Amino acid sequence: SVLTQPPSVSAAPGQKVTISCSGSSSNIGNNYVSWYQHLPGTAPKLLIYDNNKRPSGIPDRFSGSKSGTSATLGITGLQTADEADYYCATKDYSGGVFGGGTKLTVL
Amino acid sequence: QVHLVESGGDLVKPGGSLRLSCAASGFALSGYYMSWIRQAPGKGLEFILYISNSGEAIYYADSVKGRFISSRDSASNSLYLQLNRLSPDDTSVYYCARDFSNLGLDLWGQGTLVTVSS
Repeated sequence: SVLTQPPSVSAAPGQKVTISCSGSSSNIGNNYVSWYQHLPGTAPKLLIYDNNKRPSGIPDRFSGSKSGTSATLGITGLQTADEADYYCATKDYSGGVFGGGTKLTVL
Repeated sequence: QVHLVESGGDLVKPGGSLRLSCAASGFALSGYYMSWIRQAPGKGLEFILYISNSGEAIYYADSVKGRFISSRDSASNSLYLQLNRLSPDDTSVYYCARDFSNLGLDLWGQGTLVTVSS
């Protein structure tokens, strides 16, 4: 994928985890980043948009940041319900692009 | 309540065609940019199409360019995706999604499964 994410991350319940998303000046470097949570068999859910904004209903345990050509999703107070695939996304030229996805395991 | 509902997914033979629908309710498509995204079995999300609020397709992924065609019907408040010259690589769940802000896709349909197999 044009955007690089770690394939997997893991942490214990209650702990904090970060997921990175690395791109380039043609995508992350000059555009906003969004983050999605995807559980099998369901539609992806928007967690973060415009780099660091949370839609209504998303708890403040989820946070986003961007620096240069990279972005990071942070999740604090991990819960077993957070176990899912997470994707970053941004614009690239005239369209959009997703990261390859990161599987979060809550041990 | 706002919703997106996809339909039209099916089993189709290689080389065949299919038309997917995305019906919007609770909001007007004319007010938003929209996207089509797909996910192949065991793979990640792939952004395939970006549609302006005027209904014009402004981006096609290279993987579908020249084969997939987007359209919109204002009367039914629906998007359509015509899939042509399908190959097994097109086997995926296809989602339509609403662009809330800068590809912040805040509303997704439940997805519709397209299987291309002989």
